[in-house]
Amino acid sequence: GQNIDQPTEMTATEGAIVQINCTYQTSGFNGLFWYQQHAGEAPTFLSYNVLDGLEEKGRFSSFLSRSKGYSYLLLKELQMKDSASYLCAVVDSNYQLIWGAGTKLIIKP
Amino acid sequence: ETGVTQTPRHLVMGMTNKKSLKCEQHLGHNAMYWYKQSAKKPLELMFVYNFKEQTENNSVPSRFSPECPNSSHLFLHLHTLQPEDSALYLCASSQEESALYNEQFFGPGTRLTVL
Repeated sequence: GQNIDQPTEMTATEGAIVQINCTYQTSGFNGLFWYQQHAGEAPTFLSYNVLDGLEEKGRFSSFLSRSKGYSYLLLKELQMKDSASYLCAVVDSNYQLIWGAGTKLIIKP
Repeated sequence: ETGVTQTPRHLVMGMTNKKSLKCEQHLGHNAMYWYKQSAKKPLELMFVYNFKEQTENNSVPSRFSPECPNSSHLFLHLHTLQPEDSALYLCASSQEESALYNEQFFGPGTRLTVL
């Protein structure tokens, strides 16, 4: 079967750095998405990784290792507004999205 | 209006009611989706429409009936729902149906409660 694993919940401190991991076992791989979803709002696109390595976008970076079936989202200089759920999704061999259950990130002052 | 809009934002209904959810996208996309989001569970894809034609029905019970009159509008008609159908229903759109290099844009969702 196809499976995406993410921690259910994480807590971090304002100003710190947090890494949210995502591991996957899917039928084929054609890229991995990260989305951010604030409570009661729409998920919004953060990143899409197809090749191995780290991609940086401001305070957010996303890493991919296809050989390990592993990705992480790195958030630096955490702000209170970063409190949200972070969803990992893999594009499988049929070019369809397989979603993880999301990681709820709580930022404390 | 920009992006993807959904109405209503909140809906409470009895098991014998009939109601409809509406989604509209202003992005010129060709594909539209209905998802069910329950707490601590992955997004469940329900239906996919591509150029107004249904291309995916993910074994969804017949009490959920989708309608796509054109590429910009998507409806989800609800009838004789069960309490376990209570969830956040998200609409999304994308330029193409394939997820390859193709992000989806989501609406804010309808929070549905079935009594």
